[in-house]
Amino acid sequence: QVQLQESGPGLVKPSQTLSLTCTVSGDSSTSDDYYWSWIRQSAGKGLEWIGRIHTRGSTNYNPSLKSRITMSVEMSNGHISLKLSSVTATDTAVYYCAREPRDTGGWYRGFDLWGQGALVTVSS
Amino acid sequence: DTVLTQSPDSLTVSLGERATINCKSSQTIFYSSNSKNFLAWYQQKPGQPPKLLIYWASTRESGVPDRFSGSGSGTDFTLTISSLQAEDVAVYYCQQYFTTPWTFGQGTKVEIK
Repeated sequence: QVQLQESGPGLVKPSQTLSLTCTVSGDSSTSDDYYWSWIRQSAGKGLEWIGRIHTRGSTNYNPSLKSRITMSVEMSNGHISLKLSSVTATDTAVYYCAREPRDTGGWYRGFDLWGQGALVTVSS
Repeated sequence: DTVLTQSPDSLTVSLGERATINCKSSQTIFYSSNSKNFLAWYQQKPGQPPKLLIYWASTRESGVPDRFSGSGSGTDFTLTISSLQAEDVAVYYCQQYFTTPWTFGQGTKVEIK
């Protein structure tokens, strides 16, 4: 059974870079046709999509965060990473990674698999 | 960005009764080329990540009980729980995947009366 697990520092200082890794485990399939998204959830802003990266490396970022985001993927070890620079207190949230599968019609169809989430607090 | 507005914000329903949640999009999320509405519904219980219930507005994800159904097209969508069970207490979100950035509704909290 495929699982996603987010990991990284739980506390980041203002102006520094938040770095998280999503580890994919239990995937014995040969398919590489997924997008992997980062989504965050805070009390103030609900669920916010940060961006996504395809297994083959193409990306889409939320314009509201685009200047601060870097995503990368290394499926050989099942790792998807997120870097968010110049963080402030408003970046405090639970960060999730989630998978977007492609259906038989060739379209990506929402998030079918989520990690448990990683709480990141931005504070000095 | 495409804004999704859910109503109501919270809902209290008796066990076995119907629960209905609405989601209105600020622009159409129907794609004529494949005749699909790019909308999903999720259930989130406390301390857990969201769980996919419905995609393409009306297709149930594998393993989701058939008391959950989705309907609607264009800009107006509905999630219906036909007979509310105790385990359905959660917050429900709609999400559009028609135009990036993907966006979510603000959530509807469902409780037992």
